[in-house]
Amino acid sequence: ETGVTQSPTHLIKTRGQQVTLRCSSQSGHNTVSWYQQALGQGPQFIFQYYREEENGRGNFPPRFSGLQFPNYSSELNVNALELDDSALYLCASSFGRRSYEQYFGPGTRLTVT
Amino acid sequence: GENVEQHPSTLSVQEGDSAVIKCTYSDSASNYFPWYKQELGKRPQLIIDIRSNVGEKKDQRIAVTLNKTAKHFSLHITETQPEDSAVYFCAAMVSNLNNNDMRFGAGTRLTVKP
Repeated sequence: ETGVTQSPTHLIKTRGQQVTLRCSSQSGHNTVSWYQQALGQGPQFIFQYYREEENGRGNFPPRFSGLQFPNYSSELNVNALELDDSALYLCASSFGRRSYEQYFGPGTRLTVT
Repeated sequence: GENVEQHPSTLSVQEGDSAVIKCTYSDSASNYFPWYKQELGKRPQLIIDIRSNVGEKKDQRIAVTLNKTAKHFSLHITETQPEDSAVYFCAAMVSNLNNNDMRFGAGTRLTVKP
C-alpha cells in the first residue's frame, strides 16, 4: 500500500450542496493530482498542485477547485453539486513538477442525491 | 487533447497463459506511459511505466513495449496467475513543467481462470 491517505471514505450529499475532500500525500512527495473515476471507467484528470500552486487542469468546470498546503496535503472542493458528480474521487501523489510515478490514495466515494 | 483507446475491454485467459493489452494514443507529444492495476474496491496500483526514450521495459512477469511511430503501447503479462485478475488501465501523459494532464484508457477486465 502507498502512504497516500484520503478522507472521508464515503460521503452522501444533496444536489446543490458543497463538499470538501482531503488528501495526504506520501512522505517526500510534493505534487498532488486529483482524479474523478465514474463507475466502470478510467480516472479523469481534474487538476494538479505542485508546491502549493495549480500546475495544470483538466476539463472540469470552475466549481471544482483545490488547494495544496505547505505540508503538501491537498483539498478538493466541489460547489453546487450535481447528480453527475457522484463518483470515486482519487488523489495521487508524486515527486517533482513532471509528476512521474503517481501513487494513488484509496479514494472518497461521493454520492449525490 | 490526448485520447487513449484501450483494447480489449475484457480478457479471459487460463492460468499460466500470457495476456496482452494494447493501447493507442493520439498526442505525439505524450512522453510518459504508466500502467495501473485496480482490484475491486481498491485504489489503482502502479505496476509498470515507460518513458518515451525507451522502447521496452520488463519487471519479472510484466513487460511494456512502446512504438512511438505508431503511437501504441502494450502490456504483456506472462505466466498469469489468478491473483493477476483485476482491471488494468493504461495512461498517457505529456509530462512537462506546466500541465501534466494524464489521460487513462477505459480499462481491461482481466480474468485468469485456475
